[in-house]
Amino acid sequence: EVQLVQSGAEVKKPGESLRISCKVSGYNFANYWISWVRQMPGKGLEWMGLMDPTDSNAKYSPSFQGHITISTAKSSNTAYLQWSSLEASDTAMYFCARHNLISGYDYWGQGTLVTVSS
Amino acid sequence: DIQMTQSPSTLSASVGDRVIITCRASQSISSWLAWYQQKPGKAPKLLISKAFILESGVPSRFSGSGSGTDFTLTISSLQPDDFATYYCQQYDAYSGTFGQGTKVEIK
Repeated sequence: EVQLVQSGAEVKKPGESLRISCKVSGYNFANYWISWVRQMPGKGLEWMGLMDPTDSNAKYSPSFQGHITISTAKSSNTAYLQWSSLEASDTAMYFCARHNLISGYDYWGQGTLVTVSS
Repeated sequence: DIQMTQSPSTLSASVGDRVIITCRASQSISSWLAWYQQKPGKAPKLLISKAFILESGVPSRFSGSGSGTDFTLTISSLQPDDFATYYCQQYDAYSGTFGQGTKVEIK
């Protein structure tokens, strides 16, 4: 059974760093890209970026380029989304998803709620 | 980057109604278009991929059509479980832009 299990909710202060995770199981991690999607409170889905686990090549949405870092660890079948300096506007639910080149985002994590507040 | 424009943003309908949601891409994406359903507090659920392929387990009242830049999601007879928010997404060109979403509300 394919599963993407994300790390738990986080409460941080502006300026702090954060890394959230997405651990996958049930398929060969190297065979599918992993994408991250933001959903701010009461708003729609925003594509943030993706990574190919085979070569660690990442592509970012222009809206997020320079503010986030996506990485993967093949040894642990885990993808990461990282901020070096959080802002209050980063408060949102973050989803990881398996990026299937044929059928889109066929499996999703349960979401990680990040709250940034002073 | 490819932009996706979805309409309407909100739709009020009754059980049994036929519902149509449209999605337009800023450039041709062939058939690399997916539709998702999201309910409050849940992750999105893939309904349709490659513009018209119904995912396993998705009721046949859902259908998708279109290619190039213009796409539609049709719900032939709206059921109580269908009241949710729907998103289109292009997954061409090494990216995955979403439309703004359509909230289907009870009339």
